Amino acid sequence: DIQLTQSPSFLSASVGDRVTITCRASQGISSYLAWYQQKPGKAPKLLISAASALQSGVPSRFSGSGSGTEFTLTIASLQPEDFAAYYCQQLITYPITFGQGTRLEIK
Amino acid sequence: QVQLQESGPGLVKPSQTLSLTCTVSGGSISSGSYYWSWIRQPAGKGLDWIGHIDTSGSTNYNPSLKSRVTISLDTSKNQFSLKLSSVTAADTAVYYCARGSRGTYYDSWGQGTLVTVSS
Repeated sequence: DIQLTQSPSFLSASVGDRVTITCRASQGISSYLAWYQQKPGKAPKLLISAASALQSGVPSRFSGSGSGTEFTLTIASLQPEDFAAYYCQQLITYPITFGQGTRLEIK
Repeated sequence: QVQLQESGPGLVKPSQTLSLTCTVSGGSISSGSYYWSWIRQPAGKGLDWIGHIDTSGSTNYNPSLKSRVTISLDTSKNQFSLKLSSVTAADTAVYYCARGSRGTYYDSWGQGTLVTVSS
């Protein structure tokens, strides 16, 4: 199985901050990576596909980059509604796997 | 806009079979190139992929669960289903159904349903 390791696992930040979350794959996955946002009690929401393609309706302050084994999700200027958990997911091979998650909390 | 909704018992006894159904509205389950999927999340933990079925009926399961999982399509009802046999407390989780598009990017999700395994 391909393991995805996210860092940090917890992140405390303030409104207006720029934050970056990293996802490292245990082997190369090209650009077959997605990012999801999950708020408490809700289903995950797809933010980014193919490592860097922003989904329709997702604010432009979100961006993704990377390929191979290292990927990043950046939020340019945190808004109150961005405080949530974030997960990366690989889909190059089965079983599909997710990172352990990054919880973004208000400082 | 496709919508998904899980249904099924919220409590299952150990060693029994967990059965959930996902009803899809706003689109046909038998058209397009989609992967109709099940994903679960134990309380306070991350997301675990269970498996999926495509519109042709081909399935793919997580090897960690493969011997216990069956996912099926019911095109007449526009539903797909999950059966997980011989459950234990470790199977307690929120179960989500989801649609995978352009591969397995999950662009539509159900709201999730909590299934507790307990006697």
